[in-house]
Amino acid sequence: DAGVTQSPTHLIKTRGQQVTLRCSPKSGHDTVSWYQQALGQGPQFIFQYYEEEERQRGNFPDRFSGHQFPNYSSELNVNALLLGDSALYLCASSSGQGSYGYTFGSGTRLTVV
Amino acid sequence: AQKVTQAQTEISVVEKEDVTLDCVYETRDTTYYLFWYKQPPSGELVFLIRRNSFDEQNEISGRYSWNFQKSTSSFNFTITASQVVDSAVYFCALSGGILTGGGNKLTFGTGTQLKVEL
Repeated sequence: DAGVTQSPTHLIKTRGQQVTLRCSPKSGHDTVSWYQQALGQGPQFIFQYYEEEERQRGNFPDRFSGHQFPNYSSELNVNALLLGDSALYLCASSSGQGSYGYTFGSGTRLTVV
Repeated sequence: AQKVTQAQTEISVVEKEDVTLDCVYETRDTTYYLFWYKQPPSGELVFLIRRNSFDEQNEISGRYSWNFQKSTSSFNFTITASQVVDSAVYFCALSGGILTGGGNKLTFGTGTQLKVEL
């Protein structure tokens, strides 16, 4: 039973560029949430997608956008990258929007230079 | 607003010692959920336990135990007879119930780095 799959695992981008991160949820899960984890910090909630719509959003600028596809997979897009966007981006999937359990992927390590 | 505080930044113990990780939370929700996650160097957050606000029964699972006290807004985690493989960052997290408008996003603490040495 595959868990949450994220790609790529590592990425280096230049300031001002755009980046797309991808997430495939655990089998049977239909909700995807994205988190940003800066070095030495706890993960911070970016947004959550359910039924292909953004359902909840954290305190992140509009440069952060996302999408969920009919197969429940999701993308996180970040435009106009800043050095401060360097972080581990974690995807979590769950069944429905309830707080019953979240399965996390191993993350994408984004470095902005 | 929800908040989770893990005051212990780093704890070092010798193998076989017991260790307790502290977690204090703040929320105005009447229904909420508390979680503990473990993050090894690989980066993946590994789920350990979920408790809801109506269930204050303490739980033991193997070498792990949890102490939930609503009166003090604490949800502490104890590892008995620690092992080197327990070395990781441990996060406490809080999620509000949908019905109360708290949403189901996870609010994490800053984590406690646990180092277990031989």
